[in-house]
Amino acid sequence: EDQVTQSPEALRLQEGESSSLNCSYTVSGLRGLFWYRQDPGKGPEFLFTLYSAGEEKEKERLKATLTKKESFLHITAPKPEDSATYLCAVAPPGSARQLTFGSGTQLTVLP
Amino acid sequence: NAGVTQTPKFQVLKTGQSMTLQCAQDMNHNSMYWYRQDPGMGLRLIYYSASEGTTDKGEVPNGYNVSRLNKREFSLRLESAAPSQTSVYFCASSGGRPEPQHFGDGTRLSIL
Repeated sequence: EDQVTQSPEALRLQEGESSSLNCSYTVSGLRGLFWYRQDPGKGPEFLFTLYSAGEEKEKERLKATLTKKESFLHITAPKPEDSATYLCAVAPPGSARQLTFGSGTQLTVLP
Repeated sequence: NAGVTQTPKFQVLKTGQSMTLQCAQDMNHNSMYWYRQDPGMGLRLIYYSASEGTTDKGEVPNGYNVSRLNKREFSLRLESAAPSQTSVYFCASSGGRPEPQHFGDGTRLSIL
């Protein structure tokens, strides 16, 4: 069974304190890995897609990387407005299954 | 840019009542999805529609039905609501796999 595990479940950072969130997966033949940001009371907002090991994507203070078994979301010098829950999801092969989501990492950035 | 629009935003039902959650997208996407999100469980797929005219079960389809009304609209129906269906329901759409899915802001449903 495809599994996506995110760690840590919760992370508290001081403003400016860089860190990384982890998403590990057990899918064989990954067709894509997606990162989303979710604010309270809102739907997930798409951030990045990664398709192959070694690929990296950047947006402002966020950088996503992918290996064969995991992805990292690096947050450089975070600000309080980066506080949110970050979700990753994988697209396994085949047509019967769609995205498999992890449970998310709740990030709090303190001023 | 509306993207994915869900109605209603909030709803309270009594056990046994029925209701339909509506979803519409204006991005000309072929595929649409219904998820539920529960604390500690992540997003779980209920049903999806890969293209207009087709629907398929996801991970947790029991107690739900769907209708792909046209390319824009995908509705989710609870025929006889149960307290276990209390959740936040999200609709999403995508241009296909493995393109990213784009989500609405959800319907918060409480069943008493």
